[in-house]
Amino acid sequence: DAKTTQPNSMESNEEEPVHLPCNHSTISGTDYIHWYRQLPSQGPEYVIHGLTSNVNNRMASLAIAEDRKSSTLILHRATLRDAAVYYCILTYFGNEKLTFGTGTRLTIIP
Amino acid sequence: SQTIHQWPATLVQPVGSPLSLECTVEGTSNPNLYWYRQAAGRGLQLLFYSVGIGQISSEVPQNLSASRPQDRQFILSSKKLLLSDSGFYLCAWSNSGGVNTGELFFGEGSRLTVL
Repeated sequence: DAKTTQPNSMESNEEEPVHLPCNHSTISGTDYIHWYRQLPSQGPEYVIHGLTSNVNNRMASLAIAEDRKSSTLILHRATLRDAAVYYCILTYFGNEKLTFGTGTRLTIIP
Repeated sequence: SQTIHQWPATLVQPVGSPLSLECTVEGTSNPNLYWYRQAAGRGLQLLFYSVGIGQISSEVPQNLSASRPQDRQFILSSKKLLLSDSGFYLCAWSNSGGVNTGELFFGEGSRLTVL
């Protein structure tokens, strides 16, 4: 499986935008980019996913580089409830499982 | 709507005792089912997944086993627990098409402490 690289931790101020980076230089043409987040003492929850084009939903935006070797999860206005570990994961067609890395621990400063 | 339940939520077991964690999914059919474990301060580790009744794939060698006796039921078991089995166990499901373009939905988790 292609691997992803994320910073171990990040901090951001409340009510400001947050940009969480992910590098995936070995991504293949059919790999999807997924983001999940895990709040304390809970299971992960889906945030967003994309293939080539940028994606938006009610939770976040996903910006994918033109060469697809990196992507950025954008939280437009961070709240204290966004404090979590954010995982960037690659999947491929027919893949039956998600392999989680260590993710980025996001701390929101009030 | 689809829901996933797992139980018990918390349990404390002595070393060498058996274990049974149950997970059921409602509101969907033929889901893919998963068991993950998260040790304290560690990442999520995929233990088992199943794409159908009686079909179990094991990701890591260990003293745990999984079974899928019914379409929407997934059970994690052990005959003799080890201290290293302590952790937060999470059941999850996805549609039968896999997780490539769909979501993985997690249960509330079961926190196991082995003493």
